[in-house]
Amino acid sequence: AQSVAQPEDQVNVAEGNPLTVKCTYSVSGNPYLFWYVQYPNRGLQFLLKYITGDNLVKGSYGFEAEFNKSQTSFHLKKPSALVSDSALYFCAVGRNAGNMLTFGGGTRLMVKP
Amino acid sequence: EPEVTQTPSHQVTQMGQEVILRCVPISNHLYFYWYRQILGQKVEFLVSFYNNEISEKSEIFDDQFSVERPDGSNFTLKIRSTKLEDSAMYFCASSDRSSFTDTQYFGPGTRLTVL
Repeated sequence: AQSVAQPEDQVNVAEGNPLTVKCTYSVSGNPYLFWYVQYPNRGLQFLLKYITGDNLVKGSYGFEAEFNKSQTSFHLKKPSALVSDSALYFCAVGRNAGNMLTFGGGTRLMVKP
Repeated sequence: EPEVTQTPSHQVTQMGQEVILRCVPISNHLYFYWYRQILGQKVEFLVSFYNNEISEKSEIFDDQFSVERPDGSNFTLKIRSTKLEDSAMYFCASSDRSSFTDTQYFGPGTRLTVL
């Protein structure tokens, strides 16, 4: 079975400060790791993914994530937060292509001016 | 940019009624999925569909649920006899297996309310 944990229900950060949203995972075999963002009354928008290769993955809107195999983590980061980054962020893991994604519980990011 | 679309955006139904949720996946995608999100809870996988058959399903996807690709563009989720606990946001997603990307792209969702 695969699982994802997002230990923080909410992360508060001031605009212009760096942000980190944490994610740890459990999966047998090599993981496919994803971050999605959900704005109010909208669907899930893909931000970035790790399949293989470099541990630092760059994605949309200036976000990046670091894959750490020994810590089974895939934390989402951004050097300088914007108020418009305020949304619900979901980490997800899959085992293979075309496979089900297992989502974490989500972390609400609040960026204050 | 191509996107997944879903109709209706909001469906209200009476308990015991049948509902059909519709999705138009991205046109060149080969894998199709349904997920649901009960209010305040995690996004949960329901079913994946490839080559006109179910490739994987979760324990949630019982005999009350079915999926179909009735034509070359639509992908539907049918709930035969809705229960109160079926109230949720239902997301359709699609992915392109022909490349290594395999990113699942999600539609905006259909909010199902069972009264």
